[in-house]
Amino acid sequence: NAGVTQTPKFQVLKTGQSMTLQCAQDMNHNSMYWYRQDPGMGLRLIYYSASEGTTDKGEVPNGYNVSRLNKREFSLRLESAAPSQTSVYFCASSAQDRTGANVLTFGAGSRLTVL
Amino acid sequence: QKEVEQDPGPLSVPEGAIVSLNCTYSNSAFQYFMWYRQYSRKGPELLMYTYSSGNKEDGRFTAQVDKSSKYISLFIRDSQPSDSATYLCAMKDDKIIFGKGTRLHILP
Repeated sequence: NAGVTQTPKFQVLKTGQSMTLQCAQDMNHNSMYWYRQDPGMGLRLIYYSASEGTTDKGEVPNGYNVSRLNKREFSLRLESAAPSQTSVYFCASSAQDRTGANVLTFGAGSRLTVL
Repeated sequence: QKEVEQDPGPLSVPEGAIVSLNCTYSNSAFQYFMWYRQYSRKGPELLMYTYSSGNKEDGRFTAQVDKSSKYISLFIRDSQPSDSATYLCAMKDDKIIFGKGTRLHILP
């Protein structure tokens, strides 16, 4: 049971470099999310995709782009990394259960440092 | 006022004690209330969720929702060192909002 798989687990970038965080889920969930987690700030939503082919901005989308490649995969791209993007990034997926709840399943996280 | 408030702790209690973790919120439209547990350097994992008001029990864990007071709680009975983690509350109307998390240490 892989669940939600994120790569890479760790990455160090220099300011201005670009990179893509990859996320894949094998639970046939429709919705996928990218969060960042910073000390004292909690989990903040960057972008989400309610279904294949759609993406929407979350609370902190500036500096990021996303692609919902297919139902399984949702990638997050930093075009020109900045030190303020140093964070732990979590991908999550969800499906609505019979009660209407959207329960999130998270990946293990990707720890990004921008120098 | 932030939508969801949660004391960051840390909260240290002796093994075997009852732990009470709490969140307050301002949005009366929230219908689903969730608790996630996050171990160090891991992703959050769902512990429990409740719909609307009331209590829900799962083993040593009990979740309570008081919508009139806009207050939710998670109780852990017979706490164990393995319960040491950060506990995040989360709430949903059309989107999910997380609290900042409370760090809990259970002392052997």
